[in-house]
Amino acid sequence: DSGVTKTPKHLITATGQRVTLRCSPRSGDLSVYWYQQSLDQGLQFLIQYYNGEERAKGNILERFSAQQFPDLHSELNLSSLELGDSALYFCASSVNNYGYTFGSGTRLTVV
Amino acid sequence: GQQVMQIPQYQHVQEGEDFTTYCNSSTTLSNIQWYKQRPGGHPVFLIQLVKSGEVKKQKRLTFQFGEAKKNSSLHITATQTTDVGTYFCAGLNTNAGKSTFGDGTTLTVKP
Repeated sequence: DSGVTKTPKHLITATGQRVTLRCSPRSGDLSVYWYQQSLDQGLQFLIQYYNGEERAKGNILERFSAQQFPDLHSELNLSSLELGDSALYFCASSVNNYGYTFGSGTRLTVV
Repeated sequence: GQQVMQIPQYQHVQEGEDFTTYCNSSTTLSNIQWYKQRPGGHPVFLIQLVKSGEVKKQKRLTFQFGEAKKNSSLHITATQTTDVGTYFCAGLNTNAGKSTFGDGTTLTVKP
């Protein structure tokens, strides 16, 4: 187990719906990163939080939002879902950008 | 913004042949990291290089960081079927505060 816990592993939902992905970083890591990976694509950076505050933002859609809570777990909210949002969503954590530890990912299917 | 280019996108080799993937950054990097993602899995951290011209080895894998700290390579000697997967580089630009991933090189190995 990588130590980064993430729920759930698979999600199937309809267009227009909203889902929330949750992630707990590895013990001791303050940074949480969210990535999107479409089929046969690379890792698209969405957003980073560090100790509860937004640190960096990538190509995250306005329909998507995230936050990191005082206990350092993070949530990624995906709303008004479209077919094109179907992808793998990864959460990762690190200490000072050294060696990201990825969770197992959530496969989101929008139908 | 910072760009990290990785080539080739795909590489098919016969078992026993060597394999190399290259990573080039548009900006000077503080460090570069390499990850491996097995089919259906999540990226797993392999190594981090920090110093100009640094070379590190892990069994059959050799990692190099360029003198200008803008490029890197991963070389696998005598590939095995267990080497299949996608190899990602990730370059850290301190000003950006996060690592930027390349698009990955997907390696297939024919037994």
